[in-house]
Amino acid sequence: DVKVTQSSRYLVKRTGEKVFLECVQDMDHENMFWYRQDPGLGLRLIYFSYDVKMKEKGDIPEGYSVSREKKERFSLILESASTNQTSMYLCASSFARTGTGQYFGPGTRLTVT
Amino acid sequence: EDQVTQSPEALRLQEGESSSLNCSYTVSGLRGLFWYRQDPGKGPEFLFTLYSAGEEKEKERLKATLTKKESFLHITAPKPEDSATYLCAVQDPSGGGADGLTFGKGTHLIIQP
Repeated sequence: DVKVTQSSRYLVKRTGEKVFLECVQDMDHENMFWYRQDPGLGLRLIYFSYDVKMKEKGDIPEGYSVSREKKERFSLILESASTNQTSMYLCASSFARTGTGQYFGPGTRLTVT
Repeated sequence: EDQVTQSPEALRLQEGESSSLNCSYTVSGLRGLFWYRQDPGKGPEFLFTLYSAGEEKEKERLKATLTKKESFLHITAPKPEDSATYLCAVQDPSGGGADGLTFGKGTHLIIQP
């Protein structure tokens, strides 16, 4: 079974702090994704990566950056957290860029106060 | 811009009462339509991928079908453990955007014993 793990289930940070969210997958997938999920807005893509050291912006990249130094690991960085970044953050991975299902981690619920 | 609309927003059924969930979509070049199940506080769980009109996939009490404009998730004789939010998503890289998925807002399904 595909396993995608995220470093924290719950996280509370203060406004202005730098925040790192880590994601690891164990299926040798090329592609990894970061989404956020908010009530009434659904899941929205922040960034994705189709190879080590490669990254592409999704629909809502503002205020975020990412890092992919190893194939299995994809990090989401909030350079200066703000209250409107309070959300559920979900990492996913997939074998191919298109046409295959994406497998999600359990999510990190981030609260910025 | 890709759009995915799911209906109804919420559905309450009695145990054993079959029904269908709808996902209508507008994309210029469908690379896949995906169904997920999401339990409260958890990441989405991949269920099915459909690629072309007329295709059907089954898993236990669930069957997904696809036409050129919409997909249905049929639930036959549901049990309380089928209660969850069901998400539909599409992938359309030809739109020039990301390889990520565009999600609908989901159908919250409750099966009462």
